[in-house]
Amino acid sequence: GQSLEQPSEVTAVEGAIVQINCTYQTSGFYGLSWYQQHDGGAPTFLSYNALDGLEETGRFSSFLSRSDSYGYLLLQELQMKDSASYFCAVQNYGGSQGNLIFGKGTKLSVKP
Amino acid sequence: GAGVSQSPSNKVTEKGKDVELRCDPISGHTALYWYRQRLGQGLEFLIYFQGNSAPDKSGLPSDRFSAERTGESVSTLTIQRTQQEDSAVYLCASSLRLALVTGELFFGEGSRLTVL
Repeated sequence: GQSLEQPSEVTAVEGAIVQINCTYQTSGFYGLSWYQQHDGGAPTFLSYNALDGLEETGRFSSFLSRSDSYGYLLLQELQMKDSASYFCAVQNYGGSQGNLIFGKGTKLSVKP
Repeated sequence: GAGVSQSPSNKVTEKGKDVELRCDPISGHTALYWYRQRLGQGLEFLIYFQGNSAPDKSGLPSDRFSAERTGESVSTLTIQRTQQEDSAVYLCASSLRLALVTGELFFGEGSRLTVL
């Protein structure tokens, strides 16, 4: 089966940098995705890492280490609008490939 | 349409009634997914379709839950004899290819189900 671990809550101040970690256990691995969800809203895709290393998209970066079964999402120059829940997700490598399994999410609170 | 559309956006029902939740994926998206999200919780996988076939039904919580997809388009999630524990937001997502290739799903706004 699959399991993902991420912190339940993180608090940071506006303008700061925050890192949200995700460790996973899977029977196989294709890649690690990150999603953002504001309260009452739909999850939206942020990034995907299939290979080791850092992927940068504006203020957001995502990192993957396949050997460590570990990844993180890095948010720079935090803004109030970044307050949301962030989910890491991996594909199910089991008998039926294709579905995406999500972690329980990290609630980020950005303070002024 | 431009995005994934779900209906109804809100549904209040009495315990024991049946409900149907509908999802219109993005046109041309071959893969379609259903997730359940209880208040303040993560996304719980229910089922996914590749075309009109559902290779993985392992997430359906019980035999009261069923889903179908027709014309490689609209999908319906049916919950029979609803229970209070079924209260949640039901999220639908679609992708152009299986998520294992791109890791990217496009989500609808969800259907919020409240069972009294």
